[in-house]
Amino acid sequence: DAKTTQPTSMDCAEGRAANLPCNHSTISGNEYVYWYRQIHSQGPQYIIHGLKNNETNEMASLIITEDRKSSTLILPHATLRDTAVYYCIVRSQGGADGLTFGKGTHLIIQP
Amino acid sequence: NAGVTQTPKFQVLKTGQSMTLQCAQDMNHNSMYWYRQDPGMGLRLIYYSASEGTTDKGEVPNGYNVSRLNKREFSLRLESAAPSQTSVYFCASSGQREGTQYFGPGTRLLVL
Repeated sequence: DAKTTQPTSMDCAEGRAANLPCNHSTISGNEYVYWYRQIHSQGPQYIIHGLKNNETNEMASLIITEDRKSSTLILPHATLRDTAVYYCIVRSQGGADGLTFGKGTHLIIQP
Repeated sequence: NAGVTQTPKFQVLKTGQSMTLQCAQDMNHNSMYWYRQDPGMGLRLIYYSASEGTTDKGEVPNGYNVSRLNKREFSLRLESAAPSQTSVYFCASSGQREGTQYFGPGTRLLVL
């Protein structure tokens, strides 16, 4: 699986959009970009994933650049409950391989 | 629909003791996984089971054994616990086609 690079930490004001970047310059053609988050002491939670088109669900939006070498997760109206570590993971969609977690971005939502 | 459940939630062991961590899922998923997470680190894969009857090593399998008891249940066994195995253990499951993994709440293990 391709390696990803994320900032160690970010702050965002409550009610504002949180934009979390991820670089994945070695991504291959069949690999998807997945985002998970881990709220303190809990199990990781799936947020969203995409291949090359932008994706949106009830939790977030995912913007993937045209060359697919980077992406941005957008939480449109951040709340205090969005404070968590966010992991960007690149892997193929099928198959049973485990996920490779880096250290992620610690997003802190400020009141 | 409980998703992925893990027992126990917390356990303290002495060095050399054995124990089994239990995991069950009710989503009819084929694949199941065991990860460990040390403080300040991301999760690391210990073992996984692509389907009932199969298991494979992940990144950090030493000191652990697993059993895929049936489609629902996947257990992790520590035969002789060591302080280096102090960690939080997460179980996950996945429907193979979609690739998304769903995680349990974790088991916090302290080995003295």
